[in-house]
Amino acid sequence: EIVMTQSPATLSVSPGERATLSCRASQSVSSNLAWYQQKPGQAPRLLIYGASTRATGIPARFSGSGSGTEFTLTISSLQSEDFAVYYCQQYNNWPLLTFGPGTKVDIK
Amino acid sequence: EVQLLESGGGLVQPGGSLRLSCAASGFTFRSFALNWVRQAPGKGLEWVSGISGSGGSTYYADSVKGRFTISRDNSKNLYLQMNSLRAEDTAVYYCAKSPRQSPQWFDYWGQGTLVTVSS
Repeated sequence: EIVMTQSPATLSVSPGERATLSCRASQSVSSNLAWYQQKPGQAPRLLIYGASTRATGIPARFSGSGSGTEFTLTISSLQSEDFAVYYCQQYNNWPLLTFGPGTKVDIK
Repeated sequence: EVQLLESGGGLVQPGGSLRLSCAASGFTFRSFALNWVRQAPGKGLEWVSGISGSGGSTYYADSVKGRFTISRDNSKNLYLQMNSLRAEDTAVYYCAKSPRQSPQWFDYWGQGTLVTVSS
């Protein structure tokens, strides 16, 4: 099983600032990585797939990068609606799909 | 518009059974894999099971293999039959669509249905 880790567990950011979230895989997943956003009481929403491709309707302030075992989700200028939990997920080892534990982005 | 609507959750005793359903609409049903992903209270996401677009291939996480069965029908419904339920199966169960014939990432999600396993 590929184990995904995320850091930090919590990131405190002021509105308008840049947020950088990290995701690491226990072995290479190539570019087969997705990012999701989840707000309290809601289902997750797909942000990024293929490590760097934004999903339909996702604002350009969200960007993904990385390959192999190290990945980054960057939110260039945090808006109020961006405070949420963010999960990474690998699908290189499908059908054994695994998520990271999440990074909570809260208001500083 | 893609819509996934789960139902069937509830309270069940340990060792009991429950069947979840997901009604899908807004896409070519047999062209895409469907999945169940769960989230225990206050915890992260865990992929549980997936089924290919054709329904010919099914996949399970080790934590549920042998206890859960995924299936889909021609009326655009996805199911999860859950047997021998344990307290650790308590979670919100989401139906999630993959953009390929096989389970990969998840481009659309339902709102979830809560399963509580408790005596």
